[in-house]
Amino acid sequence: GAGVSQSPSNKVTEKGKDVELRCDPISGHTALYWYRQSLGQGLEFLIYFQGNSAPDKSGLPSDRFSAERTGGSVSTLTIQRTQQEDSAVYLCASSPRQGLNTEAFFGQGTRLTVV
Amino acid sequence: AQSVTQLGSHVSVSEGALVLLRCNYSSSVPPYLFWYVQYPNQGLQLLLKYTTGATLVKGINGFEAEFKKSETSFHLTKPSAHMSDAAEYFCAVSDESGGYNKLIFGAGTRLAVHP
Repeated sequence: GAGVSQSPSNKVTEKGKDVELRCDPISGHTALYWYRQSLGQGLEFLIYFQGNSAPDKSGLPSDRFSAERTGGSVSTLTIQRTQQEDSAVYLCASSPRQGLNTEAFFGQGTRLTVV
Repeated sequence: AQSVTQLGSHVSVSEGALVLLRCNYSSSVPPYLFWYVQYPNQGLQLLLKYTTGATLVKGINGFEAEFKKSETSFHLTKPSAHMSDAAEYFCAVSDESGGYNKLIFGAGTRLAVHP
């Protein structure tokens, strides 16, 4: 596709339920990031994937959060037993390669509301 | 560790007036710096970036930023504001530790442009 695609765009879930958020990166991009944007916390790094290397999971806030990237392309962020503090916009980004000055292209995000 | 401080969570200017959004960074090594813009209900879009070389960086939509090492600043400017510039602006620095472009974001500045 032309850009990073995320689905769903909005998700409302009940506290305690599990949710899956999907990210389709730009074709050919080897690097993929997840960030969380919430009131009071700003934009936080969650996880980074690069090719077949082990992901950098250092930003995941708890063990209820996990992510995978299948075939070096699509990524799924899973939140188990959702809590109200998980309500946020989850942004996915991809880059054509690894590198400190490489531009990250962002999707429109998934707005998660836990009620 | 790298960090970013954006002075002013809200800035309001008149159409046609100078836009100045402030960003100061903290980094133990020469930084890679970025400005992103977020329009309502959209993802982040790169405005400009500083890597090495020329300290005055020109970006899209008439924006530019100047890297000042002595002041540890990377302020964003535009000579004449347009109504379409109303958005939230984020300054970011690359976290060096992982060898990839893990962005550390400031808290953001919401720009309002009034007639």
